[in-house]
Amino acid sequence: DTGVSQDPRHKITKRGQNVTFRCDPISEHNRLYWYRQTLGQGPEFLTYFQNEAQLEKSRLLSDRFSAERPKGSFSTLEIQRTEQGDSAMYLCASSLTVQGPNEKLFFGSGTQLSVL
Amino acid sequence: AQSVTQLDSHVSVSEGTPVLLRCNYSSSYSPSLFWYVQHPNKGLQLLLKYTSAATLVKGINGFEAEFKKSETSFHLTKPSAHMSDAAEYFCVVSRRGGFKTIFGAGTRLFVKA
Repeated sequence: DTGVSQDPRHKITKRGQNVTFRCDPISEHNRLYWYRQTLGQGPEFLTYFQNEAQLEKSRLLSDRFSAERPKGSFSTLEIQRTEQGDSAMYLCASSLTVQGPNEKLFFGSGTQLSVL
Repeated sequence: AQSVTQLDSHVSVSEGTPVLLRCNYSSSYSPSLFWYVQHPNKGLQLLLKYTSAATLVKGINGFEAEFKKSETSFHLTKPSAHMSDAAEYFCVVSRRGGFKTIFGAGTRLFVKA
């Protein structure tokens, strides 16, 4: 178990630029989640994949945001035409679906985005 | 609809004294409830979870939480605080069997020597 890894750890960009983040979940985990966390707040759900299928997107995820999980392994989150309001910590989590109640989420350390 | 309210944004205790972090929830469905901890520069870690079995749930590092349906509460406690407990704690609610988790705003725990 190497844990959930996210790359890069930090990203500084100018307003209007596109950015892409990567998440590598724990290898056998079939579910993958993206969250966004701003200072002083808890993580907010953005989107969720079961294998390669994106099953849910939050209203928070505007048209500038797109996420993919090709082949059901790693995932990318792209933000186009970044705005200063996009500055936040972007967290990825993964889990293994089991029968019964909610499974445990394993979180990465996040990508801190700063839009200047 | 689901929501979670953490009643204190900051809690300060002395080392060796009890810890109480308060959480109230609202859910239209039978909820699953969790507490996560976030240490600086580290990922969120699950402390414990309630999913309809025993109402008193024991977690890691000596923490426990009690699910009280009548009070819609899921408070986190620890009998004796340790310096290493200083961190941000999040109460989380989700629909049992579902996937969408709702995090509270967090409670920052300070532990004084």
